Amino acid sequence: TQLLEQSPQFLSIQEGENLTVYCNSSSVFSSLQWYRQEPGEGPVLLVTVVTGGEVKKLKRLTFQFGDARKDSSLHITAAQPGDTGLYLCAGDAFNKFYFGSGTKLNVKP
Amino acid sequence: NAGVTQTPKFRILKIGQSMTLQCTQDMNHNYMYWYRQDPGMGLKLIYYSVGAGITDKGEVPNGYNVSRSTTEDFPLRLELAAPSQTSVYFCASSHIWTGGQETQYFGPGTRLLVL
Repeated sequence: TQLLEQSPQFLSIQEGENLTVYCNSSSVFSSLQWYRQEPGEGPVLLVTVVTGGEVKKLKRLTFQFGDARKDSSLHITAAQPGDTGLYLCAGDAFNKFYFGSGTKLNVKP
Repeated sequence: NAGVTQTPKFRILKIGQSMTLQCTQDMNHNYMYWYRQDPGMGLKLIYYSVGAGITDKGEVPNGYNVSRSTTEDFPLRLELAAPSQTSVYFCASSHIWTGGQETQYFGPGTRLLVL
């Protein structure tokens, strides 16, 4: 079982569309991070959210941490082919670090 | 700075063989981590270290051992390889505990196949 559940698992969209990826848990996290991973490479950190209700923006990407610090979302506006990759959420709980299973995004030109 | 380097990139092992996955970082980071990533799954923490001489178990430590004799190196040892250990292994490092908003830097990974 995964401590962090991500949805959807796969997403294939056209360039210019908007999308939202969800990361949910029944556990409370002291912080939550979002990563993007390209094939054959390690994950690269996009953002860390710490405060319940926090919203952070990174160009066309908007990250939100739930009020109860149990869930998070990643919204991409006007997706580009360069956004294609595996998006992973990860959280700090029980003095360990847990990753979700990831959302594989494919943006078609 | 090379960041986090891992060797080898790919290895095939027979059941029962042993091997050491090497990980080195040149950023003078205190914290180092070993993860495994199975197909279609996220990363699972195997072991981590908060500094030289100190290691602790993560979520899936069984079948693995680690040591941290220097700040730079954090090798992962598989003593009796099993097919269930077929996976991609990532090493990572951070200056402080990554939950404290600290960026965790990952190596390129080692792909291990146990037959």
